[in-house]
Amino acid sequence: EVQLVESGGGLVQPGGSLRLSCAASGFTLSTYWMAWVRQAPGKGLEWVANIKEDGSQQYYLDSVKGRFTISRDNAKKSVFLQMSSLRAEDTALYYCARDSGWLKYDYWGQGTLVTVSS
Amino acid sequence: QSALTQPPSASGSPGQSVTISCTGTSSDVGRYNYVSWYQQHPGKAPKLIIYEVTKRPSGVPDRFSGSKSGNTASLTVSGLQAEDEADYYCTSFGGRNVFGTGTKLTVL
Repeated sequence: EVQLVESGGGLVQPGGSLRLSCAASGFTLSTYWMAWVRQAPGKGLEWVANIKEDGSQQYYLDSVKGRFTISRDNAKKSVFLQMSSLRAEDTALYYCARDSGWLKYDYWGQGTLVTVSS
Repeated sequence: QSALTQPPSASGSPGQSVTISCTGTSSDVGRYNYVSWYQQHPGKAPKLIIYEVTKRPSGVPDRFSGSKSGNTASLTVSGLQAEDEADYYCTSFGGRNVFGTGTKLTVL
């Protein structure tokens, strides 16, 4: 059974940092692109970043470029999102999703909540 | 990175059909047959219900169907049931990794 389990969210002050993790199981992580998608309270889905199977390519939402870094460790079956210089507008539930190709997000985790507030 | 455009809301009575649109551009929806649709119930993670414009993952009822014309893709829910009440989002391959603005479907 495919499972994605996010962790690492929490309350952080503006300007602070957090590292989110996504533990993957039930499939071979190294054969899939992976993505982070967020949802601010009461708002819609927003793609944040994605990463190629071998980690050689990463793409980012314009508003997080230079502040967020997506990475992966296929041997440890994990995907990460390092977030720094956090802003209030980054407050959201962050989902990890498997991309089966052409933005077909076929499996999602349950999300981890990031709250940026003083 | 502008989102794909969806109507904010849609509604229908049980048993009726409802169609939700997703408007992109000639660079994404109009160019590629890689439109996906997601259903999200309150407090739950999104669920893939349509991919490659018309295909349904295993376990998704055939009441859900997808189509495309020009730069606009559509999701049709036939034989509406109470459990179909949810938010629906589209995505399309085409250089912009964006979701649609989302549509809240209400079953009257």
